[in-house]
Amino acid sequence: QVHLVQSGTAIKKPGASLKVSCTASGYTFIDNFLYWVRQAPGQGLEWMGWINPYSGGTSYAQKFQDRVTMTSDTSLNTAYLEVTGLRSDDTAVYYCARDSNPAHLRSSGGPDYWGQGTLVTVSS
Amino acid sequence: DIQMTQSPSPLSASVGDRVTITCRASHDIGNDLGWYQQRPGEAPKRLIYAVSTLQSGVPSRFSGSGSGTDFTLTISSLQPEDFATYYCLHHNTFRLTFGGGTKVDVK
Repeated sequence: QVHLVQSGTAIKKPGASLKVSCTASGYTFIDNFLYWVRQAPGQGLEWMGWINPYSGGTSYAQKFQDRVTMTSDTSLNTAYLEVTGLRSDDTAVYYCARDSNPAHLRSSGGPDYWGQGTLVTVSS
Repeated sequence: DIQMTQSPSPLSASVGDRVTITCRASHDIGNDLGWYQQRPGEAPKRLIYAVSTLQSGVPSRFSGSGSGTDFTLTISSLQPEDFATYYCLHHNTFRLTFGGGTKVDVK
């Protein structure tokens, strides 16, 4: 059974950096792209970007280009999201999610399995 | 960029009602569309992929249809556990675009 387990709740001050982890099990980690999606309180879902754990290749939504880095450690089956220069409007639940298609197809199938979410609060 | 517009929001309904949620894309998106359910405090859950294919384990009262730019999620007989927020999602070259969401609440 596929599981994505994320790191716990974080409270950060404005200007600080954040690193969220997403540890995968139940499938071969390098076989599927991973997405990061966030959801501000009471708001909808917002795509942040993706990482290909096999190659380390990434792509970020334009909004986050300057402040986001996605990485992975294949020895730990873990992906990471780092956000720098945190602001109050970065307060959100951050999710990782797996793309349903094998990466070698080079075609996205949309996310099937999701992590439980990591609540990040940015406040002075 | 493709925009995904959902309606209605919110949607008030009763147990047993037939419920229809619509998602409109700003351009033809083929069949690269899924539907997700999100209950409060939970991660989204995929219900439908490729417009009309039911995710394994999802009750058959959920169905999806559409093509091109107009898509529909239908719940044939609303159950108590179906009161939640629903999102359509377009995926293309691993870029995701979500609809704004439709909250289904009690009439």
